[in-house]
Amino acid sequence: EAQVTQNPRYLITVTGKKLTVTCSQNMNHEYMSWYRQDPGLGLRQIYYSMNVEVTDKGDVPEGYKVSRKEKRNFPLILESPSPNQTSLYFCASSLSSVVPAFFGQGTRLTVV
Amino acid sequence: ELKVEQNPLFLSMQEEKNYTIYCNYSTTSDRLYWYRQDPGKSLESLFVLLSNGAVKQEGRLMASLDTKARLSTLHITAAVHDLSATYFCAAVNAGGTSYGKLTFGQGTILTVHP
Repeated sequence: EAQVTQNPRYLITVTGKKLTVTCSQNMNHEYMSWYRQDPGLGLRQIYYSMNVEVTDKGDVPEGYKVSRKEKRNFPLILESPSPNQTSLYFCASSLSSVVPAFFGQGTRLTVV
Repeated sequence: ELKVEQNPLFLSMQEEKNYTIYCNYSTTSDRLYWYRQDPGKSLESLFVLLSNGAVKQEGRLMASLDTKARLSTLHITAAVHDLSATYFCAAVNAGGTSYGKLTFGQGTILTVHP
């Protein structure tokens, strides 16, 4: 089954403690991206990747890092999380454009 | 910079009534998407509208695009409870440094009551 898998689904952490949210897709898609969803703001793109070792900033990249060492994986790294990064995060992938075709199930992150 | 605005943000409907969600975007776009999100779930693609005058329908939902007015609408006919969800529109930037990027509206939370 074609899917984008994120882990964990729920995470509560403390300010400053580094964390990684993993994202994996099994469709051999070139494009992958990360979004955050906040009430009243819709989804905003954090980072995207067009291929292995090729990444670029989205609209709200501050406080986040990504890497694309393999085509299937696109982890989101928060080196020093802060409470304003409390949000619902989605990973997405697409074969041929940065417009998502498939979304992951979401990761609800709370930073206290 | 492309901005996408939805109206209304909250919509409480009675079953069997009709209503329309509006999606305005600020600059040229060559594609318009509609998504549905159930509570606690991911986004599901509903429609892709590619050209002026495009109309797509599935069940009780119909989406249309007017590129001259920079407006897309999602019309709900004879609403049923199962349509309760959050609906997002999103537009693809057709020019400038953000070419090809997808920008989402704020989302419309639809609740259908008996």
